[in-house]
Amino acid sequence: RKEVEQDPGPFNVPEGATVAFNCTYSNSASQSFFWYRQDCRKEPKLLMSVYSSGNEDGRFTAQLNRASQYISLLIRDSKLSDSATYLCVVNPTMKTSYDKVIFGPGTSLSVIP
Amino acid sequence: NAGVTQTPKFRVLKTGQSMTLLCAQDMNHEYMYWYRQDPGMGLRLIHYSVGEGTTAKGEVPDGYNVSRLKKQNFLLGLESAAPSQTSVYFCASSYSRSGGKNIQYFGAGTRLSVL
Repeated sequence: RKEVEQDPGPFNVPEGATVAFNCTYSNSASQSFFWYRQDCRKEPKLLMSVYSSGNEDGRFTAQLNRASQYISLLIRDSKLSDSATYLCVVNPTMKTSYDKVIFGPGTSLSVIP
Repeated sequence: NAGVTQTPKFRVLKTGQSMTLLCAQDMNHEYMYWYRQDPGMGLRLIHYSVGEGTTAKGEVPDGYNVSRLKKQNFLLGLESAAPSQTSVYFCASSYSRSGGKNIQYFGAGTRLSVL
């Protein structure tokens, strides 16, 4: 089993739709989690951190389920500009995270007019 | 505010040639990383550095060397390029090694083709 897995998609959704992505991780000791966004032929950029209690940033909601070892990203009222690849990122430990950050392969989203 | 700058942006090499990729950050970050990204594979860590003068191997270090002579610069070298090293290379830096704050900032990438 890969350490971080994501449904590669592509997810093709109409403008205004709600779409959700899941990401599963294998290391139960993982401590911190992030969602990054990567536009076509661009670098990844932090979208949001994922907190245990769940967190929201505008149209984006991230949730963590430690028992089932997955995180999710919900996008409401999709915009054309949301079209991108969404990377799930997992840090296994708090102390030595710099060499163990694991990026998932990404989920591709296309928002259609 | 430049952030993380990578040079060059594109390069084509012949098998056996050597080259150096330069990464520079102006955020005074201690930690720097080199990744490669291949279709369906996600980002894979090649080498990383936790401070000036220190480097360490990541997940896929074979065929690459690195140096961090100055805090702001992190160089990635390919001594004898192979077609398997055709990829997109990203440099990143971060301020803290604490997991919750280890937000990585990426450069725009270098697209390398080895023929």
